[in-house]
Amino acid sequence: QQQVKQSPQSLIVQKGGIPIINCAYENTAFDYFPWYQQFPGKGPALLIAIRPDVSEKKEGRFTISFNKSAKQFSLHIMDSQPGDSATYFCAATTPNAGNMLTFGGGTRLMVKP
Amino acid sequence: DGGITQSPKYLFRKEGQNVTLSCEQNLNHDAMYWYRQDPGQGLRLIYYSQIVNDFQKGDIAEGYSVSREKKESFPLTVTSAQKNPTAFYLCASRLRAGGRYEQYFGPGTRLTVT
Repeated sequence: QQQVKQSPQSLIVQKGGIPIINCAYENTAFDYFPWYQQFPGKGPALLIAIRPDVSEKKEGRFTISFNKSAKQFSLHIMDSQPGDSATYFCAATTPNAGNMLTFGGGTRLMVKP
Repeated sequence: DGGITQSPKYLFRKEGQNVTLSCEQNLNHDAMYWYRQDPGQGLRLIYYSQIVNDFQKGDIAEGYSVSREKKESFPLTVTSAQKNPTAFYLCASRLRAGGRYEQYFGPGTRLTVT
């Protein structure tokens, strides 16, 4: 049962472009939505996170937009660079059951020079 | 250096053998987690532990076992009962306080069983 659906599976943009990765969830008990960045052969690294009482959060070139009524959230990468090429995962968790993260399927991003 | 260490980085085993993956953290985090990642796939939760001497099954616990005898350590044993053990295994930890939910991941262990 995939509770967090992520799209697209892969994405190619030119340097300076703004890739957008979308996630949708079903469980209304989710109350924390982090994004992770993973380079090949490495563990995921926490990038940015948002709670549902906020509609947007920015950290550097990374922005999360959150639409609680639609149960959707997205990651935007401004002025993307080749070094941003990685796999991005959205996730969600609830305050119960050990705060287990439910991950989306991942988006492989390639930023061309 | 604070962080999460996993060893070894690469592990090769013959089918039918049990193998134990190490995960150690010096972040003083209470909760620890094990995930499995298959090529081109997301992460799936195997086991998690919120406190010492206590752990719960995740979504794909069959064929795996864990222990949590120390706060810093959460080893994962991949048993011969796991039908498809070749994968990238990731350990994570989280501070269980103050409503903070951030999970931090180790570098992973790539297990190949032939």
